[in-house]
Amino acid sequence: EVQLLESGGGLVQPGGSLRLSCVASGFTFSSYAMNWVRQAPGKGLEWVSAISGSGGTAYYADSVKGRFTISRDNSKNTLYLLMNSLRDEDTAVFYCAKNGRSGTFYNYFDFWGQGTLVTVSS
Amino acid sequence: DIQMTQSPSSLSASVGDRVTITCRASQGITNYLAWYQQKPGKVPKLLIYTASTLQSGVPSRFSGSGSGTDFTLTISSLQPEDVATYYCQKYNSAPWTFGQGTKVEIK
Repeated sequence: EVQLLESGGGLVQPGGSLRLSCVASGFTFSSYAMNWVRQAPGKGLEWVSAISGSGGTAYYADSVKGRFTISRDNSKNTLYLLMNSLRDEDTAVFYCAKNGRSGTFYNYFDFWGQGTLVTVSS
Repeated sequence: DIQMTQSPSSLSASVGDRVTITCRASQGITNYLAWYQQKPGKVPKLLIYTASTLQSGVPSRFSGSGSGTDFTLTISSLQPEDVATYYCQKYNSAPWTFGQGTKVEIK
């Protein structure tokens, strides 16, 4: 059974940093690209970042480019999102999501974690 | 970047009604289109991928169609458990953009 468990969310002041983690199980982690998707309170889904199975290629939404860094440790089956220079508008639930097919970057997301809440406020 | 526009933003229908949600891409995306369902307070769930392929376990009253720029999600007979917000998503290239969502309620 596929499981994705996020952690690391919390309250942080504007300009601060936070690192999110997502521990995966139930599938061959290194074979799948992974993603972060966020949802601000009462708002829709926003794709944030994606990383290839090897970790060698990453993409970012324009809204976070230069501030967020996605990475993964395939030996620990863990996905990360390092968030720097946080802004009020980054307040959201952050979900990690697994690609539906192995070996391809451009794919739908077939499993989602439960999410972790990031609140940016002074 | 390609924009994804859903319509309507919300709808209210009776149990048993046929419901159709539209998603339009600002450029062609062939069939690289997925639909997700998010029930209140819950995690998004994949319903349909490649525009028309039903994800395993999804009730057959859900169906998808379209290619290129225009896509539809249809619920053939609306059930109370279908109350949710529905999102389309393109995945042919970065960024993996979502539509703004369509909230479905029971009349």
